[in-house]
Amino acid sequence: KAGVTQTPRYLIKTRGQQVTLSCSPISGHRSVSWYQQTPGQGLQFLFEYFSETQRNKGNFPGRFSGRQFSNSRSEMNVSTLELGDSALYLCASSAAGDEQFFGPGTRLTVL
Amino acid sequence: GENVEQHPSTLSVQEGDSAVIKCTYSDSASNYFPWYKQELGKRPQLIIDIRSNVGEKKDQRIAVTLNKTAKHFSLHITETQPEDSAVYFCAASNNNDMRFGAGTRLTVKP
Repeated sequence: KAGVTQTPRYLIKTRGQQVTLSCSPISGHRSVSWYQQTPGQGLQFLFEYFSETQRNKGNFPGRFSGRQFSNSRSEMNVSTLELGDSALYLCASSAAGDEQFFGPGTRLTVL
Repeated sequence: GENVEQHPSTLSVQEGDSAVIKCTYSDSASNYFPWYKQELGKRPQLIIDIRSNVGEKKDQRIAVTLNKTAKHFSLHITETQPEDSAVYFCAASNNNDMRFGAGTRLTVKP
């Protein structure tokens, strides 16, 4: 089985721009979660999607949004980028609320 | 929502010694507690997990213990090796909401 994939792997944007990140889960996994990882901040939960519905949301501003498609692929969008949004964005898929399998991440740099 | 606290944030041990990382959680509905290891530049990977109906689980040099009453769980690594050096994350989940601790950077000195 192919693992979780994320595109793009690296992204450089400037303040005020918006960005869309993509995540393809392991085949058969219907749950996709997104995390922001910054040095010293661990894995901050953004949101979780299951069968195209957002089930849970973390404490991030409304500039962070996401969606899930019928094939379980998920995208997250960040609008009006700020310098503090620079981070590694990880997505993870799971089959039934248990083990999460992480993708390689998208490293976003905001200049 | 769930809140997971993890201690210590950094841990340095001599090769061959044991390492213990502790986590507490807040949501009594949490029933799944995985531990992930993230090596530098790599994605987090599951190393061991435990469910709420079990108090202890062991896999070679790694063991986890769970105290549901006190809402805390721990990771124990025995006979540490330099390749155990990494950041370790605990997590707690109630089936559809998994939250992670802030991570512990473990350094094993040869």
